Amino acid sequence: DGGITQSPKYLFRKEGQNVTLSCEQNLNHDAMYWYRQDPGQGLRLIYYSQIVNDFQKGDIAEGYSVSREKKESFPLTVTSAQKNPTAFYLCASRIVDRDSYEQYFGPGTRLTVT
Amino acid sequence: SQQGEEDPQALSIQEGENATMNCSYKTSINNLQWYRQNSGRGLVHLILIRSNEREKHSGRLRVTLDTSKKSSSLLITASRAADTASYFCATDFNKFYFGSGTKLNVKP
Repeated sequence: DGGITQSPKYLFRKEGQNVTLSCEQNLNHDAMYWYRQDPGQGLRLIYYSQIVNDFQKGDIAEGYSVSREKKESFPLTVTSAQKNPTAFYLCASRIVDRDSYEQYFGPGTRLTVT
Repeated sequence: SQQGEEDPQALSIQEGENATMNCSYKTSINNLQWYRQNSGRGLVHLILIRSNEREKHSGRLRVTLDTSKKSSSLLITASRAADTASYFCATDFNKFYFGSGTKLNVKP
């Protein structure tokens, strides 16, 4: 999975609790991304960051928050405001350059909220 | 939305046959990428085609891009059971937009 680690693989939480998903990369990539994937669906962008201490909302940012204090780390917090948080969460990173590069993905975290 | 859409949604073929998947998108792109996802895993990059390219090959993979029709196709030749996975196209224009994927089943 290309130098990106996500932990834990499975996560269970009670409704109303905030939960933080970890994403770490040792690829020296500038940009990092968080996606959500629902069963049988494609990926939807939650947040992305192209540089330390800066990040932008994606298409479905409501109920989520992120931080980018270090280049290697981009944790995602799923807050109690997220109405339907049960999903598969994928983190990715890539080089930022004037040229185009692919994204490298972590193995994902499956979050179940009951 | 800039999101790509793959067609068909599901494809079932016999080992040794070719598999063709199509992707359509809505707006300008810098490049288009194809990814593969095994069940419950992260995505793996397969191939990238730039907006000024029309065709690209990588092993058993052949990708075409028609920017006038805003479409791309991925051909997997001589498929193997191990090719069973979901395949996604992603358009790259400031942000990535992924389609909903084609689920390929290759029967041994």
